[in-house]
Amino acid sequence: AIRMTQSPSSFSASTGDRVTITCRASQGISSYLAWYQQKPGKAPKLLIYAASTLQSGVPSRFSGSGSGTDFTLTISCLQSEDFATYYCQQYYSYPRTFGPGTKVDIK
Amino acid sequence: EVQLVQSGAEVKKPGESLKISCKGSGYSFTSYWIGWVRQMPGKGLEWMGIIYPGDSDTRYSPSFQGQVTISADKSISTAYLQWSSLKASDTAMYYCAGSQSGIAAYFDYWGQGTLVTVSS
Repeated sequence: AIRMTQSPSSFSASTGDRVTITCRASQGISSYLAWYQQKPGKAPKLLIYAASTLQSGVPSRFSGSGSGTDFTLTISCLQSEDFATYYCQQYYSYPRTFGPGTKVDIK
Repeated sequence: EVQLVQSGAEVKKPGESLKISCKGSGYSFTSYWIGWVRQMPGKGLEWMGIIYPGDSDTRYSPSFQGQVTISADKSISTAYLQWSSLKASDTAMYYCAGSQSGIAAYFDYWGQGTLVTVSS
């Protein structure tokens, strides 16, 4: 199975900050990567697929980039509703696998 | 509007069997892959497996193969996740999620989750 790692595992940020989360795959996955946001007590929500395509309805302050093994999720101007845990997921091969998550909390 | 509605929370004893459900509405149930994702308390997301209700094509993660069974009844637009003998380590939130992608890629739609507690 393809192993996904994320860094950092958690960090604190302030509203208005530009934040970047990194996801790395244990082997090349082309652009077969999705990002999700999960808030406490809620189901995950799809933000980005195909590494950089924004899901309908997701604010444009979210963006994704990368291909191969290294990917990033960027939030250009952090809003209060963005404090959450973010997961990457590869869909290059079965089993699909998630990264361990990155928790973004308030500084 | 696409909706996935899961069955309610369950409290079971070790060794008991369980089947939880996920009912789809607002779309053609046979056209979306439906997957299951485990989230143990305070932990991350784990991809368990996925089924295409149109032809019952099912894929499992090796971590869950043989431990659970994924099925679907397209006549009532419902997918299932079942255990024949629960363990305390099965205690978790279980989400069903739908994928419009023809390759069962990412999950566009999510159920609200079913909390399963296994305790003696």
